[in-house]
Amino acid sequence: NAGVTQTPKFQVLKTGQSMTLQCAQDMNHNSMYWYRQDPGMGLRLIYYSASEGTTDKGEVPNGYNVSRLNKREFSLRLESAAPSQTSVYFCAGAGGGGYEQYFGPGTRLTVT
Amino acid sequence: QKEVEQNSGPLSVPEGAIASLNCTYSDRGSQSFFWYRQYSGKSPELIMFIYSNGDKEDGRFTAQLNKASQYVSLLIRDSQPSDSATYLCAVTGSGGSNYKLTFGKGTLLTVNP
Repeated sequence: NAGVTQTPKFQVLKTGQSMTLQCAQDMNHNSMYWYRQDPGMGLRLIYYSASEGTTDKGEVPNGYNVSRLNKREFSLRLESAAPSQTSVYFCAGAGGGGYEQYFGPGTRLTVT
Repeated sequence: QKEVEQNSGPLSVPEGAIASLNCTYSDRGSQSFFWYRQYSGKSPELIMFIYSNGDKEDGRFTAQLNKASQYVSLLIRDSQPSDSATYLCAVTGSGGSNYKLTFGKGTLLTVNP
């Protein structure tokens, strides 16, 4: 099992460009999450999907949109990137009886 | 605002010693508690979870939970240089938010050979 996978691993964008971060899991997770991690700020929840077909805002949703394409896939879209969105983005999945979350390897995004 | 507080460190211990990492949380309704290890440049890795008051042991790791004091800790026995990492405490929300985790900012642990 690959677990939770994310693409791309690295990305550089110019201000105003758009992009989609992809996340997929093969662990039969019901819930999926997108976080960003910044120095001194810890992990902050952007959006989550408690189950297939539902999505909800987390702590820092502004500037982002998400799609839960099916049970396996949960994507994060930046419509018009800003330098403040420079961060490391992690996708996570959970479910199957417990609330523990398992993280993907992350995407390091730089917006210039 | 639900909060999870950790001492940011760095916590420095000699090889072979016991490292003690602490975490307090504000939501009295939280039911599930997790410890993640994060090496520099890597993603968080789940190492322990605990749901009931008391101790839970797994190899060199022991998680301790005291819900009355809203306190959870992680002990690492016989610390090794490979344990050097940032340790994140995470807590579920209460009620309908029990599938969301709130993370502390982490404690940086350095184990000196």
